[in-house]
Parts: sequence; structure tokens; C-alpha cells
Amino acid sequence: NAGVTQTPKFRVLKTGQSMTLLCAQDMNHEYMYWYRQDPGMGLRLIHYSVGEGTTAKGEVPDGYNVSRLKKQNFLLGLESAAPSQTSVYFCASSSRRVLTFGAGSRLTVL
Amino acid sequence: DAKTTQPNSMESNEEEPVHLPCNHSTISGTDYIHWYRQLPSQGPEYVIHGLTSNVNNRMASLAIAEDRKSSTLILHRATLRDAAVYYCILGEVDYGGSQGNLIFGKGTKLSVKP
Repeated sequence: NAGVTQTPKFRVLKTGQSMTLLCAQDMNHEYMYWYRQDPGMGLRLIHYSVGEGTTAKGEVPDGYNVSRLKKQNFLLGLESAAPSQTSVYFCASSSRRVLTFGAGSRLTVL
Repeated sequence: DAKTTQPNSMESNEEEPVHLPCNHSTISGTDYIHWYRQLPSQGPEYVIHGLTSNVNNRMASLAIAEDRKSSTLILHRATLRDAAVYYCILGEVDYGGSQGNLIFGKGTKLSVKP
């Protein structure tokens, strides 16, 4: 049972490039989330989804887009990467009350 | 959103109990108290949660004050593997939509000495 899988684990981008982070869960969870974590900070919610085909903005959504075309997948896109988006990104999914996180994706934007 | 206050850091000796405090004076009646921890270079992992009564599981115990304005996560025998950042978070019953997005603060960094 893999739980929550994030790909890629590491990525280096140049300013202005685009990329997509993929999150996959095999627990049949309805809810999925994307967080970012910067050094010395807690996690901040970017976008979340309460079910297939639905998405909503979290605390820091600017510069990101998301899609949830399939229940098991939640994609986070950066259309034009900026150095301020250098961070570690965590995906999570949940049944009621308990979040399961992925191992993280470390993104560096030069 | 109701917020929590935790010490920035704590130290413990291996094989001794650890009591991690959390204050949440603005907690609402529907807020659950959740604890997660994040080991170095890993994603956060669930530890325990509760509403009003004390809770125990294989990882830890959660002691909730009678007025629910504070709680304490108890690790009964700290091991080196318990060194992590511990987050105390308030969340409503259901995580969906605007009802209950968990807000992770900076947490408490627990160091465990051999």
C-alpha cells in the first residue's frame, strides 16, 4: 500500500519555466491538498480539493493552478515559475480527520 | 481561525517521558485537537487527535484540559526517533471545503538526547 506518492522528488527550474507536480493516492480518499513549506516555517495550504472535479484556493494560491480530473490524482501546476516558489511541496489526502502526507517534492527556481 | 501556541523548542532525555504543551484559548466547540509530527526531511505524520476526553494510542497520549483551552501531548518513553517538529492544530469535524483546513504553525522542535 503506497499511500501518497509525489513525483518528482526533486526539480530545478529556471525563472519563467512551467512544470507540474503529481500527487497520487491509493486510499480512495475524497479530500486532497497541496501545501508548501519554507525553511523554518510551518506548512501553508496552496489549494485543496473535496472531490473529483472540484478544487478550491487555500492560503497562498497565487502563481499555482491545480486539477483533480481523477479521484486518485491531484496535480499542482506552475505556469511561470518564480524564485519565490522555491520550496518543498507536500501533498496530502484525507478521510475524515486524519491527513496522510507524501514525502515531499523539493523545487528550486533559479 | 482558532490558533494554537506552542513552545519553539524542547529537549528531552532518551527513555524519559515528554510532555509537549499547546495552548488554544479560542478553541470552538466543534474543533478537534490534532497532533502531527514531522521527522527531518519527511512529510508530517499523524500522531493523535481528540475532542474532549483524553486519548491514547500506540504512539502517544493526548491530555485535554477540562475547559479545552490547552492540551498536552505525552510521549511515554522518548526515543531518538521521536526527535521531530510537533504540530498542534485545531480542525473542525470534517476537513472538507471551508469547514476545516488545518493550519500548521511552526510547531515545537523536540530534541532527544541519548
